[in-house]
Amino acid sequence: DVVLTQSPLSLPVTLGQPASISCRSSHSLVFSDGNTYLNWFHQRPGQSPRRLIYKVSNRDSGVPDRFSGSGSGTDFTLRISWVEAEDIGVYYCMQGSHLPYTFGQGTTLEIK
Amino acid sequence: VRLVETGGGLIQPGRSLALSCSTSGFPFRDYAMSWFRQAPGQGPEWLGFIKSHNKGGQTEYAASVQGRATISRDDSKAIAYLQVSGLSVGDTAVYYCSLGGAAAVWGPGTLVTVSS
Repeated sequence: DVVLTQSPLSLPVTLGQPASISCRSSHSLVFSDGNTYLNWFHQRPGQSPRRLIYKVSNRDSGVPDRFSGSGSGTDFTLRISWVEAEDIGVYYCMQGSHLPYTFGQGTTLEIK
Repeated sequence: VRLVETGGGLIQPGRSLALSCSTSGFPFRDYAMSWFRQAPGQGPEWLGFIKSHNKGGQTEYAASVQGRATISRDDSKAIAYLQVSGLSVGDTAVYYCSLGGAAAVWGPGTLVTVSS
């Protein structure tokens, strides 16, 4: 199975400051069709996960442009240009290039 | 787009669960549907998906439920289903359905507690 390793696991951030989460894969996530199926999700306490980014860098509808995704192959990053209070929660990367689909361990973002 | 899971509750070990995912707001027959679960205090776990009939209707499953799970769909009702047999305490989780193989939209989830 593909192992996704996120860092850091805990991310204390001051409001208005940037934040960055790394997701490293044990295997290349380039699929046979040339696409890279690496997604990012945000989950607030007591809520369902919400997808933010799909195929590495595509923002979902309604996601603020403060959020951006980048990377290729085995190394990926989610960046938040400036953190707002609503951004607290756990962030997960998930790969859909290889079966079984797998998630990173999660990164908990908290406000300092 | 709306997805709502139903059918959770308290289930005895060894029994089966049968969940439904009712959907609206998108052309259900054109999309794959996925199932996930999240055990208490843990991250999400992919369980499997069913492709649209247009794309062959195949199913794929995680090893944790392979041989015990069946994902199906009724395009006329826009509902996806998940059945899992031989439940154990380790199957206790909130179960979610999701739109597409890339989990674009999730339902609120339904809690399944396996306990005697």
